[in-house]
Formats: sequence, C-alpha cells, structure tokens
Amino acid sequence: GNSVTQMEGPVTLSEEAFLTINCTYTATGYPSLFWYVQYPGEGLQLLLKATKADDKGSNKGFEATYRKETTSFHLEKGSVQVSDSAVYFCALGSQGGKLIFGQGTELSVKP
Amino acid sequence: GAVVSQHPSWVICKSGTSVKIECRSLDFQATTMFWYRQFPKQSLMLMATSNEGSKATYEQGVEKDKFLINHASLTLSTLTVTSAHPEDSSFYICSASVDILGATDTQYFGPGTRLTVL
Repeated sequence: GNSVTQMEGPVTLSEEAFLTINCTYTATGYPSLFWYVQYPGEGLQLLLKATKADDKGSNKGFEATYRKETTSFHLEKGSVQVSDSAVYFCALGSQGGKLIFGQGTELSVKP
Repeated sequence: GAVVSQHPSWVICKSGTSVKIECRSLDFQATTMFWYRQFPKQSLMLMATSNEGSKATYEQGVEKDKFLINHASLTLSTLTVTSAHPEDSSFYICSASVDILGATDTQYFGPGTRLTVL
C-alpha cells in the first residue's frame, strides 16, 4: 500500500543554517505530494505541493522537488529562521482524496 | 481564501458525556471533509471521510457508533464523541477539500480541537 517515510526528528539547527528534511514514498501511480507545517498549538497549514514528476513546489523559502526516480520529496530551505520552528509533515494524496502522512519531523531553530 | 474553522478550540468534559465538534469551511464549499485524530508528538490518523448528504466512511478500527459524523451542508461537518472516556482525550482536526474535475484537490485544515475527558 501507499506509505510515506520521513527522517526522524527532532532536528535542531542554528539560525541561518541549511535545512533538509528527507521524505520518501511508496505508491502506485503518480500521486500528488505535499508538505504541511504545524506550528505549536495550531492545525496544519499547507506549505507546498507538487502534482507530477519533476515539479518543484516552493513557498516561504522552502522548496521540494518531486523525484520519481528516487521516490522522494525532500524539503529544503537555504537559511532557516527561529520562526520556522515547527513540525513538518510530508504527505501523499491517495484514493478518494485521502492524505497519507509521514510521522512528522520536529524542527527547532536556535538563535 | 480556503479557511477552515473549528469550534470549540478546546473542551473539557466529564467521562460519559458527549461532545460535539464543528468544522466549517468559511469561504468555499467543501465537497469532502475529513476528520483526523492526533496524539501528542505523533502523526495524524485519519478517522473518517464525509461527503455532504451521505454517510461517512470510517477507517478500519474507528468505531462509527462512538464517533458520529454528520455532514449537513457543503460548509459544515460535525463530529460527536459519544460517551467520552479519558482514552478519547486527543487533538481532533478536520480538513475540507473541493473536488475539481472529479478529483479531490488540496485539503485545508482547521486549527484543531483539544478534547480532555476527565
């Protein structure tokens, strides 16, 4: 069945460091891929998405490229800020519009 | 655009009582709404999928008689936790999406409801 695997957290970085959060997936066909972010005490917010192979989603300095050959959708940001501290979820779109989430990766950015 | 609200944002209730959580899409009509449960520091677990005017589809292992879902309109879905017990304490999150050309588009999430059962 479809599944998503994320790198385990927590990830702790200093401000302005480079961020990579790995995400790989298993799926039949070519599902849409998403990154959601959850700030403390809040619900999920869509960060970016890609709907087909080689698409690059980007938002707020974050980027992720849909790589069919490696079944990956790694999240990157060149220079993180303290305000980026949150939990990041990778997800893939499944049948009936359902989302299958990875386990989430907690990011903590220190000043 | 694409704002989803939930009410209440938090609720504390006694064991054995029922609690209703509302999920509303404020600026769009949601073809489909989803209900999730999230335990501390864990991922979201899909509980059920609901479409306006039809019965909800529950995921395996979710008790439909305990978690009653009503999708009365294209902008409102409710989740009622019946005869709540402490193990039902959790963060409940809804999401709403719009079908475009027969395919469900991006889900937009509500802020969540923190339920504590004493």
